[in-house]
Amino acid sequence: DAGVIQSPRHEVTEMGQEVTLRCKPISGHNSLFWYRQTMMRGLELLIYFNNNVPIDDSGMPEDRFSAKMPNASFSTLKIQPSEPRDSAVYFCASSFSGTGELFFGEGSRLTVL
Amino acid sequence: QKEVEQNSGPLSVPEGAIASLNCTYSDRGSQSFFWYRQYSGKSPELIMFIYSNGDKEDGRFTAQLNKASQYVSLLIRDSQPSDSATYLCAVAFMGDMRFGAGTRLTVKP
Repeated sequence: DAGVIQSPRHEVTEMGQEVTLRCKPISGHNSLFWYRQTMMRGLELLIYFNNNVPIDDSGMPEDRFSAKMPNASFSTLKIQPSEPRDSAVYFCASSFSGTGELFFGEGSRLTVL
Repeated sequence: QKEVEQNSGPLSVPEGAIASLNCTYSDRGSQSFFWYRQYSGKSPELIMFIYSNGDKEDGRFTAQLNKASQYVSLLIRDSQPSDSATYLCAVAFMGDMRFGAGTRLTVKP
């Protein structure tokens, strides 16, 4: 059974460019989380969805960040325009019911030059 | 502001010793508590969860929860070099799941 699938695994881009990260949750899971991890700030919750509806986006750092979940099997996190301080590993995780075990994807390592 | 606090470490213990990892949280309404392990360059993976006050044991791991003190801990008995990783405390409330910064554990042979 496939786990959470994220793409791309690595992204190197220049400041000002648009970045789109993608996530396919585990089939049957109804909650999806986007996290950002850096050495300085640890694992930060950016946004989470329950049944495809955004529930809490208070962790989204700025209007440059947006996330969508058009259906139960796909979500995107977009950064436009990107800045060097956005460099981090972005994790997507899914779960059933939202308060149970989170299953993480392998992460997308973003480097903004 | 929902906060989860952990000592960042590093924590170093000899092989065979007990490693003790601690976590405090700010939201008294928190319902569920989790410990995740993250190896360098990998994604976090769940090792234990606890919902009720007291202790919960699973093999070499024991999670302890004290809701009155807003405190959760993880004990690792008979530590092995393969336990060397960062341990993340996570706290859930109404679907929201927030993590501490993690404690880096090194088990020396």
